[in-house]
Amino acid sequence: GQQVMQIPQYQHVQEGEDFTTYCNSSTTLSNIQWYKQRPGGHPVFLIQLVKSGEVKKQKRLTFQFGEAKKNSSLHITATQTTDVGTYFCAGQGGGSNYKLTFGKGTLLTVNP
Amino acid sequence: ETGVTQTPRHLVMGMTNKKSLKCEQHLGHNAMYWYKQSAKKPLELMFVYSLEERVENNSVPSRFSPECPNSSHLFLHLHTLQPEDSALYLCASSQGSTGDGNTIYFGEGSWLTVV
Repeated sequence: GQQVMQIPQYQHVQEGEDFTTYCNSSTTLSNIQWYKQRPGGHPVFLIQLVKSGEVKKQKRLTFQFGEAKKNSSLHITATQTTDVGTYFCAGQGGGSNYKLTFGKGTLLTVNP
Repeated sequence: ETGVTQTPRHLVMGMTNKKSLKCEQHLGHNAMYWYKQSAKKPLELMFVYSLEERVENNSVPSRFSPECPNSSHLFLHLHTLQPEDSALYLCASSQGSTGDGNTIYFGEGSWLTVV
C-alpha cells in the first residue's frame, strides 16, 4: 500500500533558526496536504499543493511539491516559539478517493 | 472552535465495557471520518462515510463499530476493547472527497484509555 515517509522525526532549534521537514511518498500523489498539531491539540490544516513543482508561501512558511509529485517539503524561516508542534504531511493517492496517508510527523521544539 | 465537536473528550473504560464516541460537524460537509492517533505511529484512517454511506473500512477490528445516522453525526461504538486500543480518536469532516482536493477538518479528539 501507499506509504508516506517523513523526516526528521524530531527537530530542536534555537529561536530564530530555520527548520525544514521532508516528506516522501512511495507512489505519485494527486495532492499533498500539510497539517500542524500543537501539543495536546488536534491537527489543523495548513496548505494543499496540487501542481508539479508548486511552491506556496504563508508568511515565514514555504511549501514545495516535487516535480514528480512524490515528495514535498515545509521550510520555516526564523522560527518562533509559536511554531512549536508536530507538522504532518498527508498524501492523497493510492486509488482511494477518500484516503489521505499521513506521515509520522516532525515534532519541532524551539528554545527561546 | 473547529466546527467539528467530539464528546467525550476523555474516556476511561474497562475491557468489558461498552461505550460510544460521538462526533458532530457544523460545517455542512458530506463526508466524515474516524482516525486513530497512537504514540509513535502515523494517523490511521479507520472509517469514512460519505452521504451516510460507508466508503472506507481499513481493516478495523469488529470491536470498533461506526454509525452515521445523518451527514452531521458520526458515532464510534466501542466494546471489549484491549489496552492497546488506548489512543486519541479523531473525528474529521470534509466537503466531498480528498481525492477531489478537499481538505479535512479535525475535531479536538477523544482521549481513550482502556484499563
